[in-house]
Amino acid sequence: EAQLVQSGGGLVQPGGSLRLSCAASGLTFSSNYMHWVRQAPGKGLVWVSRINGDGSDKIYADSVKGRFTISRDNDKNTLYLQMNSLRADDTAVYYCARDRPYSGSYNGFDYWGQGTLVTVSS
Amino acid sequence: IVMIQSPLSLPVTPGEPASISCRSSQSLLHSDGYNYLDWYLQKPGQSPQLLIYLGSNRASGVPDRFSGSGSGTDFTLKISRVEAEDVGVYYCMQPAQAPPYTFGQGTKLEIK
Repeated sequence: EAQLVQSGGGLVQPGGSLRLSCAASGLTFSSNYMHWVRQAPGKGLVWVSRINGDGSDKIYADSVKGRFTISRDNDKNTLYLQMNSLRADDTAVYYCARDRPYSGSYNGFDYWGQGTLVTVSS
Repeated sequence: IVMIQSPLSLPVTPGEPASISCRSSQSLLHSDGYNYLDWYLQKPGQSPQLLIYLGSNRASGVPDRFSGSGSGTDFTLKISRVEAEDVGVYYCMQPAQAPPYTFGQGTKLEIK
């Protein structure tokens, strides 16, 4: 079954760090752009970050720039989000999502992880 | 780019049609001729799922009662006959003028 399986969420104090993982299985990964999208409790979807297939190009939402780092390990088919200097307003369910391959046409965010809850609180 | 959806709440009787509007603050029509506008559905307790990409292309496995239309700044998602399984929050999203990728506020569809 093609899927993205997430791990790594939890409770962290303000100012703390956390790393999220998103493991791909049964689908192409290494050539695809990948994203992180978050959803605060009871709120809508907000894009966080994107990385290209080989990891050389990364972009971030202004709200997380300088604090979050997106990365990937194509040998392990895994996407990461390193979150530092966490704040209360980072509390959200974080989703990974797959985008098109670098040389392919756009097909939307066609696969999503199950989501992982990050709670920033003292 | 700001994405504005309407309505924000949509009660629908099963078997009846439904329509959701999404307007962008800038044109989503790319030089390649495609409108870069997606529709996603987030069912209760689930991750978002892709319904429509490039304005009018149904994603794999999406029932043909779902259709997307529009161009430039005005887009519409239509459900020809709503079923109980269609409840959830519908989001439009633009990847045309990224970063950032921006979502609409969401439209909550409920069954009357």
